[in-house]
Amino acid sequence: GAGVSQSPSNKVTEKGKDVELRCDPISGHTALYWYRQSLGQGLEFLIYFQGNSAPDKSGLPSDRFSAERTGGSVSTLTIQRTQQEDSAVYLCASSFAGDTYEQYFGPGTRLTVT
Amino acid sequence: GENVEQHPSTLSVQEGDSAVIKCTYSDSASNYFPWYKQELGKRPQLIIDIRSNVGEKKDQRIAVTLNKTAKHFSLHITETQPEDSAVYFCAASMGGGATNKLIFGTGTLLAVQP
Repeated sequence: GAGVSQSPSNKVTEKGKDVELRCDPISGHTALYWYRQSLGQGLEFLIYFQGNSAPDKSGLPSDRFSAERTGGSVSTLTIQRTQQEDSAVYLCASSFAGDTYEQYFGPGTRLTVT
Repeated sequence: GENVEQHPSTLSVQEGDSAVIKCTYSDSASNYFPWYKQELGKRPQLIIDIRSNVGEKKDQRIAVTLNKTAKHFSLHITETQPEDSAVYFCAASMGGGATNKLIFGTGTLLAVQP
């Protein structure tokens, strides 16, 4: 079946512009996660959605970052007034709820802020 | 906050040798510990996981051990092959099952020399 998809795969933007990154999770997965991975670095947790519960936003690095998940499926990560330090690969993952925690990752969006 | 420490950050072994990567975690309620492999330019993929009710799990050349008392777990790869070269991430679940959130380690770059 279809895995997690993300778009765009690459995004180059000018400093100060806003960007929107999209994630389509695996159908039926109620949990959705966003991570940031800078070059050669680990997976930095950003935000987590679980069903209809309030999202866990504890990893968002600043108020320029926000995310939505509409209808319990597609999610959009928005970065306002982008800065050069926002350049990274943004990974989305989804999983079932409950005991099974395996997270399935999307291919990521490589964001470059010039 | 809760965190996961991972060592070493880089590991170089000769083909056929064993490789061991170690992680420690801080949340005593953690009960699920996956390991992900990320090849260059690819998305992270689950290779093995262990739950807190077992101490060891094996899958062909890879094994994971867990010591809940000491709050550490390890990945063991035997008879390493060049295709094992990748970045490996450990993770620990948070909240004792109340959420599906994972906290990831900082990654280990494994290089298997032919």
